[in-house]
Amino acid sequence: GAVVSQHPSRVICKSGTSVKIECRSLDFQATTMFWYRQFPKQSLMLMATSNEGSKATYEQGVEKDKFLINHASLTLSTLTVTSAHPEDSSFYICSARARVQRLKQYFGPGTRLTVT
Amino acid sequence: DQQVKQNSPSLSVQEGRISILNCDYTNSMFDYFLWYKKYPAEGPTFLISISSIKDKNEDGRFTVFLNKSAKHLSLHIVPSQPGDSAVYFCAASAGGGSEKLVFGKGTKLTVNP
Repeated sequence: GAVVSQHPSRVICKSGTSVKIECRSLDFQATTMFWYRQFPKQSLMLMATSNEGSKATYEQGVEKDKFLINHASLTLSTLTVTSAHPEDSSFYICSARARVQRLKQYFGPGTRLTVT
Repeated sequence: DQQVKQNSPSLSVQEGRISILNCDYTNSMFDYFLWYKKYPAEGPTFLISISSIKDKNEDGRFTVFLNKSAKHLSLHIVPSQPGDSAVYFCAASAGGGSEKLVFGKGTKLTVNP
């Protein structure tokens, strides 16, 4: 149980275009989903927290107009990287928290974004 | 400023021996700690956690020890198996309604047959 999927697993896009990454909780309802970014040999950096049906809360230094997050249902959250630049190239990971498990987050497999 | 530190980027142990992964933290508001295991190109998977009201939590081959006065926790794996080879992340939460986890940089564990 507690499976989280991400799509796509890998994407290459051109500079200036937008990319959407989907995060789904497959067998539980996720009231909260989190989006992280990981650079090589670095820790997972929280970008934003999204609650179903409300606006996402962004961490300091994360541009909300550049990284659009939508959490339209209890099983789906999307991250859209708008006007992507090469410096946005990274590994993006989502996680989901079930309603009754306050602190345990279940992670998706991640999406490798490369902007050329 | 790193609030959660894993000072050893890598650790190598022999199969059957004990693996000890260390984690230090600076924020005294942290009250819940988790260890995650991550394979390449996959998301982290939850391993074990501990609340600040405890000093030890055990689950099979995995034991987490918490020393609040030293702001230090460690994960012991015994006996270590080759399948344990992965990157291990320590994470902490400040509680008080916060659901955010702060992660360390990870320690790459290699268990040699």
